[in-house]
Amino acid sequence: KAGVTQTPRYLIKTRGQQVTLSCSPISGHRSVSWYQQTPGQGLQFLFEYFSETQRNKGNFPGRFSGRQFSNSRSEMNVSTLELGDSALYLCASSLVDIDYNEQFFGPGTRLTVL
Amino acid sequence: KNEVEQSPQNLTAQEGEFITINCSYSVGISALHWLQQHPGGGIVSLFMLSSGKKKHGRLIATINIQEKHSSLHITASHPRDSAVYICAVRSRPEGNYQLIWGAGTKLIIKP
Repeated sequence: KAGVTQTPRYLIKTRGQQVTLSCSPISGHRSVSWYQQTPGQGLQFLFEYFSETQRNKGNFPGRFSGRQFSNSRSEMNVSTLELGDSALYLCASSLVDIDYNEQFFGPGTRLTVL
Repeated sequence: KNEVEQSPQNLTAQEGEFITINCSYSVGISALHWLQQHPGGGIVSLFMLSSGKKKHGRLIATINIQEKHSSLHITASHPRDSAVYICAVRSRPEGNYQLIWGAGTKLIIKP
C-alpha cells in the first residue's frame, strides 16, 4: 500500500506570492491533517479535513486555507507569503477519526520564502 | 509553562544502552502519540496510547493517565535509533480539537 505523498517536496517563493501544496493520503484514508514545522515553534496544527469538510482548525491566520476533494486528496494554500511562512509543511492521513486512529505522515514540503 | 513537556531535550548514549524519554502534559487528553523524526523531516508514528503500555520491537511506550505522564523506552539502542522523538497529545477542551506537540528529544546513539 502506497504511503502518504506530498508534492512538491521543495519550493522556493518570494514574499507576497501564493503557494499551493498537495497531499495524497493512503488509499482508504478519509482524514487529512496539515501541520507546520519551524525550528522556533516546533510542530503546529493547521487544519484537518474529513469528507471534503474542514473538521478542525488550528490558530493560523486566514492566509492559510485548504480543501479536500472527493478522492480525499487535499490541498493547502498560503496567500501573500511572509518570510515567517518558511517551514516544513507536513500532511498526515488517518482512516476515519483522528482521535482513535493513528496518523501516517508524508515526507513534507519544505517551503522557503525569500 | 508548556502544556506538553519532554525531557531530556538532548540525549547522547552509547550503543546498547537502555533509553528513556519522558513526556508530561497538563491537559485532559483522548490519546497520546509518540513519533520519530529523522534528519530530512520524515515523521513516523511509533505509538498511539490512551492507557497502559504498548510494545513494538525494541520500543516500549507507557502512559499513566492519573499522573499525566508517558515514557518511551528503547532497549538495546542502536545508532539507527538516532532521531528526534516527539510526544504529542490529542485534547478536546470545550469540543475544540487540539493537537499539542512537545518540543522533541534529540537522541544520538554513538557506536
